[in-house]
Amino acid sequence: KNEVEQSPQNLTAQEGEFITINCSYSVGISALHWLQQHPGGGIVSLFMLSSGKKKHGRLIATINIQEKHSSLHITASHPRDSAVYICAPSGNYGGSQGNLIFGKGTKLSVKP
Amino acid sequence: DAGITQSPRHKVTETGTPVTLRCHQTENHRYMYWYRQDPGHGLRLIHYSYGVKDTDKGEVSDGYSVSRSKTEDFLLTLESATSSQTSVYFCAISLTEMNTEAFFGQGTRLTVV
Repeated sequence: KNEVEQSPQNLTAQEGEFITINCSYSVGISALHWLQQHPGGGIVSLFMLSSGKKKHGRLIATINIQEKHSSLHITASHPRDSAVYICAPSGNYGGSQGNLIFGKGTKLSVKP
Repeated sequence: DAGITQSPRHKVTETGTPVTLRCHQTENHRYMYWYRQDPGHGLRLIHYSYGVKDTDKGEVSDGYSVSRSKTEDFLLTLESATSSQTSVYFCAISLTEMNTEAFFGQGTRLTVV
């Protein structure tokens, strides 16, 4: 069962391009995280959304609760944005109100 | 950066041996989580804790146990390691049950040979 689907799985872009990563989920959620994981590195939460849109620097995240869909946009992409981006809704899974479930990630490579 | 430290960062162990991974936080967050990350599966929840001595199972808890005797430490034990437990293990903490802010450790790469 795939409760969280991300697309694309892999993405190669040229520096400066506008990038969109999509996340669809089939479960009820209370919020959704976008996470970033650099090669061999730890995981950082970029955003937590429960509605609407959030912006942080060149990163923008949107969510449509009714359509069960979220997007992560990167404007003016840069090689340092190369990482795996993971969508992680939180909801009432496994007896807890806010456990996270995770997409399989989108591997982004930005070429100079 | 949130104060989360995982130890060890890398470990190679033999099949059948017990292994304990440690997650230490300095944030005084109530909720702590252990995940494993495997190619093709993404992150999956092993166990979580919602307070000292309060723990519960996650999606892939078979073969694992946990303990939390202090707020700052959450231990994950593989009682008898198997090759299928070769993985990267991540600890995470959250101030609230709703994971409104989630912070992850750097990960522990465990290889069972």
